[in-house]
Amino acid sequence: GESVGLHLPTLSVQEGDNSIINCAYSNSASDYFIWYKQESGKGPQFIIDIRSNMDKRQGQRVTVLLNKTVKHLSLQIAATQPGDSAVYFCAETPPRAGNMLTFGGGTRLMVKP
Amino acid sequence: DTGVSQNPRHKITKRGQNVTFRCDPISEHNRLYWYRQTLGQGPEFLTYFQNEAQLEKSRLLSDRFSAERPKGSFSTLEIQRTEQGDSAMYLCASSLLGRETQYFGPGTRLLVL
Repeated sequence: GESVGLHLPTLSVQEGDNSIINCAYSNSASDYFIWYKQESGKGPQFIIDIRSNMDKRQGQRVTVLLNKTVKHLSLQIAATQPGDSAVYFCAETPPRAGNMLTFGGGTRLMVKP
Repeated sequence: DTGVSQNPRHKITKRGQNVTFRCDPISEHNRLYWYRQTLGQGPEFLTYFQNEAQLEKSRLLSDRFSAERPKGSFSTLEIQRTEQGDSAMYLCASSLLGRETQYFGPGTRLLVL
């Protein structure tokens, strides 16, 4: 999702439901993508990554889907828990940019008990 | 704890003063990155090092910003003649050469009065 100033898009889900957080990336030639979780006052925490030669990758309770045709990335969280409440950022590595990460706007996930 | 560490965690300074932040990467990581994050936004890349070599510095925000990694281990980021617009979270990350995943530290929050 796109952020507008201080007003992050917010996804509110019930505990135990599945969450889907979406991200549109900017560079069709990017070859690496990554999702981070950031809790208030802390640095970004690595969740899962995917290379451009894949369209899906699964971790523990999380799945990342990559659709290169429409430059779209999504993060699926299964059985969302209150501890999943945070801001989620996607990031890409554009070509010829060394290992520089370009971050998208974040999405705030709120889990209701 | 063997993660990325940053000091200080918080810094309050007056406009016009110089500030220096330190980052200690994960011990075997060759690459070290600095990012800046303002409220409600994703991190913005500033510069990065591979061992002691600074490979990208064109993204530093002005000539008041400089970074060093003299022995290829810890790094410092200095801001000279601070301005109120420099108020932000300054994040450090590290990675292994040949691996894209960057691991972030907790950040240094700077407030310029």
